[in-house]
Amino acid sequence: AQSVAQPEDQVNVAEGNPLTVKCTYSVSGNPYLFWYVQYPNRGLQFLLKYITGDNLVKGSYGFEAEFNKSQTSFHLKKPSALVSDSALYFCAVRHGSSGNTPLVFGKGTRLSVIA
Amino acid sequence: DGGITQSPKYLFRKEGQNVTLSCEQNLNHDAMYWYRQDPGQGLRLIYYSQIVNDFQKGDIAEGYSVSREKKESFPLTVTSAQKNPTAFYLCASTPGSLNTEAFFGQGTRLTVV
Repeated sequence: AQSVAQPEDQVNVAEGNPLTVKCTYSVSGNPYLFWYVQYPNRGLQFLLKYITGDNLVKGSYGFEAEFNKSQTSFHLKKPSALVSDSALYFCAVRHGSSGNTPLVFGKGTRLSVIA
Repeated sequence: DGGITQSPKYLFRKEGQNVTLSCEQNLNHDAMYWYRQDPGQGLRLIYYSQIVNDFQKGDIAEGYSVSREKKESFPLTVTSAQKNPTAFYLCASTPGSLNTEAFFGQGTRLTVV
């Protein structure tokens, strides 16, 4: 079965520094990978996705992610962190022959950007 | 504006009661999903429906029930059989394309009192 792992429960970074939130996946066949962000007591907001093509995917709010097939990773990155980036981040994978297959989520990584 | 609406935002339940969480979408999406979120456990799938009048159990379906009588609506009932229902519940939908992300509602926080 497909799965996603986010090895860090918490990531702390100083404002202005680059940030990375890690994600590794396990699927058979081609993965469809997603990153979401969640603010307190809110739903999930979509940031970006990898379907096929370029390994570097650009998304909302200056975020990008790098797909690495050999390492089965899809790490989220941002060159310069903002305090407003502090939130809970989820990596997710869909695998299947239907677009109506549920997404499988990691346990989330809490990002704290310190001024 | 198109989107997913969950109601209520906050819900309190007495032990032994059934409660129903509402989820409505006007995106014309085929599939709808219910996830449960607990601190440190991420999102776990409760039920999903790929088409009207059909639904499948997810990983933690025990103590929950759903219906899908209309394309726009996918209500979730938390029954008295769910022993630990206090959680944040999220509804989502997808249009059916393999490369399309899921769209989420704003969630319902259920507390047992």
